[in-house]
Amino acid sequence: RKEVEQDPGPFNVPEGATVAFNCTYSNSASQSFFWYRQDCRKEPKLLMSVYSSGNEDGRFTAQLNRASQYISLLIRDSKLSDSATYLCVVYNQGGKLIFGQGTELSVKP
Amino acid sequence: DTGVSQDPRHKITKRGQNVTFRCDPISEHNRLYWYRQTLGQGPEFLTYFQNEAQLEKSRLLSDRFSAERPKGSFSTLEIQRTEQGDSAMYLCASSLSGSSNEKLFFGSGTQLSVL
Repeated sequence: RKEVEQDPGPFNVPEGATVAFNCTYSNSASQSFFWYRQDCRKEPKLLMSVYSSGNEDGRFTAQLNRASQYISLLIRDSKLSDSATYLCVVYNQGGKLIFGQGTELSVKP
Repeated sequence: DTGVSQDPRHKITKRGQNVTFRCDPISEHNRLYWYRQTLGQGPEFLTYFQNEAQLEKSRLLSDRFSAERPKGSFSTLEIQRTEQGDSAMYLCASSLSGSSNEKLFFGSGTQLSVL
């Protein structure tokens, strides 16, 4: 079993749609959680951290459920510029950051 | 530009040759990571350093791979006797450790093609 697993993609949605990505992790001792965004042929960049209480940044909402070892990312009112691959990242003991395989999002006009 | 820089951007080599990549992290960052990424997959952890100490190396990494960070600044990743399966994007990232909320800053990567 992979340490971090994400919804298989791709997700193809129209502009304005709401889309949700899910991620599960296997190590119950994992300490921190993040969502990164990766544009085609570019390096990953931090989108947002994920806090236990849930957090929101504009159209983006991240949730964490430690009991179920589950993380989610919700994007509301999708824009064409949201098209990218979204990577779930888990920080384990000792400082190792593990990436999921990514979920590709394509927002169409 | 004071971001993470990697050199070269592209490397084409023949099977069996050795290659070496360099990463210059953000100057005040004490942690440096190496990842490998293939098409359609997320970055796969290879190894990481805190200052000059290599703290962990992936069990998936064969003995043909070695990384150094001799003075706690730049790092090199060497692959000996390259194989076609080594073809991938090699990404370097750095961070300032101190909490579990550290943010990774990535370089643009080195694309390796083994013929």
